[in-house]
Amino acid sequence: GEDVEQSLFLSVREGDSSVINCTYTDSSSTYLYWYKQEPGAGLQLLTYIFSNMDMKQDQRLTVLLNKKDKHLSLRIADTQTGDSAIYFCAHTALTGGGNKLTFGTGTQLKVEL
Amino acid sequence: DAGITQSPRHKVTETGTPVTLRCHQTENHRYMYWYRQDPGHGLRLIHYSYGVKDTDKGEVSDGYSVSRSKTEDFLLTLESATSSQTSVYFCAISKQGSYEQYFGPGTRLTVT
Repeated sequence: GEDVEQSLFLSVREGDSSVINCTYTDSSSTYLYWYKQEPGAGLQLLTYIFSNMDMKQDQRLTVLLNKKDKHLSLRIADTQTGDSAIYFCAHTALTGGGNKLTFGTGTQLKVEL
Repeated sequence: DAGITQSPRHKVTETGTPVTLRCHQTENHRYMYWYRQDPGHGLRLIHYSYGVKDTDKGEVSDGYSVSRSKTEDFLLTLESATSSQTSVYFCAISKQGSYEQYFGPGTRLTVT
C-alpha cells in the first residue's frame, strides 16, 4: 500500500516559523493535503495542492511540493500558540470512486512562549 | 462546518455486542467516508459511499459493514465489536467534482 511518513513532534517558539515535512511513496498522487486537528476535535482542512504545482501560499501557510522527491512541506509563518495541534499530511489519486485519502501518522506541533 | 454530525459522540460497549454509528449530512453531498483514527496510524479508510446504496471497501474494512439508504445518512455497523475496534471514528464528505474533503467531529468508541 501507499506510505506517507511524517516526523512525530515539532517544537517551536512563538513568532518563529514552523516547517512540517511529509514524504510519500505513491507516484500517482494527484492532490496533497494538510489537515489540522486540535485536541478532541475533528480534522480541519487547511490547504491542498495539485500535483502539477510546486508551491501554494495562503496567508501564513506555504505549501511546497517536490514531486521528484515525493516531498511535501507546510510552513507556518509567525507561529502562534493557537497553532499548537496535530498536523496530518494526506494524498489521493483520482479514481472513479471518489476522493479516498491516505494519511500520514501526524506531526504534533507544540508552540512555546 | 460542512453540516456533518455524528452520533453518538461517545460510546462504551462490551465485546461481542453490535454497534451502529451514524453520520448525517445536511448538504446532499454524493461521497461519504468512514475512517478510524488510532495512535501511530493516522486515519485509515474503512468504507466509503459514492451514492445511495453504492458502497465499497477501504483499507481496513474487516469487521465492519455500512449502509446508505438515504443521501444524508451513512451508517457504520460493527456486527460483533472487538477490543481492536476501540478507536475514534470519523465520517467525511466530499462533493462530486471537488477534491476537498470535510470531516465530522468524530465518535469515540471503547470496546471493553
